Amino acid sequence: SQQGEEDPQALSIQEGENATMNCSYKTSINNLQWYRQNSGRGLVHLILIRSNEREKHSGRLRVTLDTSKKSSSLLITASRAADTASYFCATDEKSSGDKLTFGTGTRLAVRP
Amino acid sequence: AAGVIQSPRHLIKEKRETATLKCYPIPRHDTVYWYQQGPGQDPQFLISFYEKMQSDKGSIPDRFSAQQFSDYHSELNMSSLELGDSALYFCASSSPSLAGETQYFGPGTRLLVL
Repeated sequence: SQQGEEDPQALSIQEGENATMNCSYKTSINNLQWYRQNSGRGLVHLILIRSNEREKHSGRLRVTLDTSKKSSSLLITASRAADTASYFCATDEKSSGDKLTFGTGTRLAVRP
Repeated sequence: AAGVIQSPRHLIKEKRETATLKCYPIPRHDTVYWYQQGPGQDPQFLISFYEKMQSDKGSIPDRFSAQQFSDYHSELNMSSLELGDSALYFCASSSPSLAGETQYFGPGTRLLVL
């Protein structure tokens, strides 16, 4: 079963709007990371949030983590067409060393 | 800044052939991870190495093996290839002392088994 489930699976918005993606996981984690992947290409690290952190910002990105609900959200503000990509959350589980377990991903399309 | 390098970027093989994928981590990174991403799937962890020793193992078939060398580069050896092995193979590197828990991914090797 998937450690991370993301919703929505697909999201289409207009340029300039905000995009929110959610990720849920099942086990205790050390940290949660968000990655971006353009179609069939490499994974680009966006942001890491540790289990003792609740919110983190990086540029137009805002990530929240609620360990009581085992969920995280990624907010992209003022979206651009170039933000079109798939976004994955990945957890570093406490019981499983430091390997990453990825969620199913959200495909974001930003219409110009 | 130097990134993770993977070679080859694309590889086409026949069933039952072997393939070797190479990964060169970011300089001074001592930990290497391998992930497999099937079409339309999320990446799945295969295996990792820390300081040239295997540190963790995931859903890696017995037909696959990997190692990390003294210069920290890693190779994933795949034998008796099957159609289902067609996927994007990523290598990631990290260094607890330098980058913390962040794993930096290479561009991937796209393997097609015919």
